[in-house]
Amino acid sequence: EPEVTQTPSHQVTQMGQEVILRCVPISNHLYFYWYRQILGQKVEFLVSFYNNEISEKSEIFDDQFSVERPDGSNFTLKIRSTKLEDSAMYFCASSTSSGGGKTQYFGPGTRLLVL
Amino acid sequence: AQTVTQSQPEMSVQEAETVTLSCTYDTSESDYYLFWYKQPPSRQMILVIRQEAYKQQNATENRFSVNFQKAAKSFSLKISDSQLGDAAMYFCAYRSPQETSGSRLTFGEGTQLTVNP
Repeated sequence: EPEVTQTPSHQVTQMGQEVILRCVPISNHLYFYWYRQILGQKVEFLVSFYNNEISEKSEIFDDQFSVERPDGSNFTLKIRSTKLEDSAMYFCASSTSSGGGKTQYFGPGTRLLVL
Repeated sequence: AQTVTQSQPEMSVQEAETVTLSCTYDTSESDYYLFWYKQPPSRQMILVIRQEAYKQQNATENRFSVNFQKAAKSFSLKISDSQLGDAAMYFCAYRSPQETSGSRLTFGEGTQLTVNP
């Protein structure tokens, strides 16, 4: 069964450093998403992406974040200058459509720790 | 903006018994989608079940079923014949049907389910 994959599974970085989190969505999916979950808190939407551009973003997704689909398979989230409060689990998801009924399938997550 | 509330931070159930997890939501939309996701200790988010608001019939997936009360804005998950592998954090989530502005999932706080042998 096709699934979303994410690398790395864990990332430790120093405050102020740039990190790139990578995702490979399910191959026939067209809509891609990033969510984050700070430890002990709810899952929060960051951004959605379609046709090589952002279709929706939350207030969390400020100028230090960016997303890119550099090739036909990868979807990346870049955090330009990490802060301590960026420590969280980051989930990538994909769906065949953005329509409300289309289920988003999640990857296993990347656990980011900023020191 | 839509909100989702799970008022039970923790629940426990004996193996083979039935448990119900509660979820309420607030929206001004008449059509929408509701989901339950399971997050085991691996922290992977796994879809359990989904419900379209326009459907009156409650969704079922094997041992998992929902009680969808649209007027009350309630969407509870019932797990029958609970198994040890059901132990996880369960998240309720809402999604608007709108193509351009409704792509995000809005999650509740989660309910940690423990299954006792």
